[in-house]
Order: sequence, then C-alpha cells, then structure tokens
Amino acid sequence: EVQLVESGGGLVQPGGSLRLSCAASGFTVSSNYLTWVRQAPGKGLEWVSVMYSGGSTYYADSVKGRFTISRDNSKNTLYLQMNTLRAEDTAVYYCSRLQYNYGMYYFDFWGQGTLVTVSS
Amino acid sequence: DIQMTQSPSSLSASVGDRVTITCRASQSISSNLNWYQQKPGKAPKLLIYAASRLQSGVPSRFSGSESGTDFTLTISSLQPEDFATYYCQQSYSISCTFGQGTRVEIK
Repeated sequence: EVQLVESGGGLVQPGGSLRLSCAASGFTVSSNYLTWVRQAPGKGLEWVSVMYSGGSTYYADSVKGRFTISRDNSKNTLYLQMNTLRAEDTAVYYCSRLQYNYGMYYFDFWGQGTLVTVSS
Repeated sequence: DIQMTQSPSSLSASVGDRVTITCRASQSISSNLNWYQQKPGKAPKLLIYAASRLQSGVPSRFSGSESGTDFTLTISSLQPEDFATYYCQQSYSISCTFGQGTRVEIK
C-alpha cells in the first residue's frame, strides 16, 4: 500500500529555517517523481517543488532560492529544506507522488500534510 | 505561468442534483487537466486525470470532459459525501497550477 507521511512542521520565526520530511512506503522514491504542494489557511493549492527520478529539481518562483528539495534513497524519504521563511509561507505542506499515465501527469497519492506557521 | 480559472467559486445544491464545474486554461494544455476533491482537514483526492479518465475507485457519477481550453467536471447525481471543495489542475507545464477551487455546499 502506498503511503506518504509528512513531519517536521511547526512554529518558526520570520527569517528562520525548517526542514520537512516525507517518509514513503509501498514504492521507491528514487524511481518516482515527488512534489511538495502547499495550502495557506483557507486558501487554495499551490505547487511548490518537484524532484524527478533522475534528480532534476524545479521550484515555484515564490520559493526559488529559499527552498531546497532533496531525497535520501536509503531512508526512502523526501525532504524540503525551507530557509529565510516569511509569513506568507504559512501553510499546510503536502508531499505527493506525481504519476505518469496515458501521456499525462497527475498527483495520485498525497500525504496528510504538516502545518508550518511563520510568526513572531 | 498558465492560469486556471475555475467557476463558480461556490455553489449550493441538493442531494440528487446534477452539478457542473468549469475550468478554463489561459492557453492550450491539450488534455493535461486533472480534478481533485478536498474535504476539510484532509488531503486532496484525485478524481479525474487526463481530462476524462476516472481514477480507480472513484464512483462513476463523476466524469470529466474538455472542449478546447475549457474543461468540465460533472457529478451526475450529488451524494451526501460529495459536499467538498473541488480543484482543477493543469500538468502541461512543470510549474503546474491549480484553479482557485469550487466549494459545493448543501442547499
């Protein structure tokens, strides 16, 4: 059974750092595309970052230069290192698997999310 | 970035109603359009991918269609468990974007 379990969220001051983890089971992270998607309180969904199986990474403009996506194949875990955090980064952060089928990509499995609050 | 404009932003409907939600892309995205359902405090759930393909395990009352850059999610007969927020999402570009969501409420 495919499962994604996020952890690492919490309260952090503006300018601070936090590292989120996403432990995967039921599949191998190194063979899949994995993403981070966030949702500010009461708002819609916003794509944050993706890591492809080959190791290529991409970021939304809003986090480029501040966030870094990575993975540890031995732990089958995805990470999101978040630096220079701002109030507008406050959100629930979801990790999700990006599946490819019929020539199209879609998020087929999601974690339960972890809340990041940036406030003084 | 490709903009996704979803309408309406909310609607009220009764159990058994036919419900239609529309999503318009700012440019051609072929069939790279997915639909998700989200209930309060929960992660999104995939309903439809590639514009019209039903995800495994999703009830057949959900369907998707496309016409150019316009995409439609239809719920043929609304059930109590369908009251939720629905999002479209384009996967044509690496920086995928979501619609702003449609909240389906009980009338």
